[in-house]
Amino acid sequence: GAVVSQHPSWVICKSGTSVKIECRSLDFQATTMFWYRQFPKQSLMLMATSNEGSKATYEQGVEKDKFLINHASLTLSTLTVTSAHPEDSSFYICSASSTGTSFMNEQFFGPGTRLTVL
Amino acid sequence: AQSVTQLGSHVSVSEGALVLLRCNYSSSVPPYLFWYVQYPNQGLQLLLKYTSAATLVKGINGFEAEFKKSETSFHLTKPSAHMSDAAEYFCAVSDNSGTYKYIFGTGTRLKVLA
Repeated sequence: GAVVSQHPSWVICKSGTSVKIECRSLDFQATTMFWYRQFPKQSLMLMATSNEGSKATYEQGVEKDKFLINHASLTLSTLTVTSAHPEDSSFYICSASSTGTSFMNEQFFGPGTRLTVL
Repeated sequence: AQSVTQLGSHVSVSEGALVLLRCNYSSSVPPYLFWYVQYPNQGLQLLLKYTSAATLVKGINGFEAEFKKSETSFHLTKPSAHMSDAAEYFCAVSDNSGTYKYIFGTGTRLKVLA
């Protein structure tokens, strides 16, 4: 099946610093990538959708300037949490999808990144 | 607007007993439906998906789900629970509008009792 990786798997940073999380589709070209945030014992909350070469579309309530998303190639999307604060601590998960009937609207999920802001 | 309802945020079953996790959806167009499992501090693993082919879908680890249009349901079942099935389960729906966006249910935590 289609494989998606995330790096790093966990990161600890100081308040006020920026953190970049990478999401890569390893064996397919991802025309669309999604970024989710998950709080403990809760479901996934969609933050934004990005299409290769286009600006990301953010969900209502998500700060565009805090969560910068770049989808520069068909295999890489990045999420940068700018000026991170403790309330940004969370589990971030990316997913990728592609056009083509073989993908059948399915998203393929990365393993997630645990961000802790001190 | 689409929505997904998972009845029962916590379900406990004995080892060897039937597992039934409920998922109801609302969609104005024929949907794609998915069940995922999540273990602690991990991403989501696809169990099975419905994409308008057979209404009874078989997945990995002995799970299956039946799409019932009249009941707008896609319940997940497994005849005999194993301890390793203890995890969080999410139902998701995606329409065929071309956005590939999912609507997730709130999740059901399955506990398997020895």
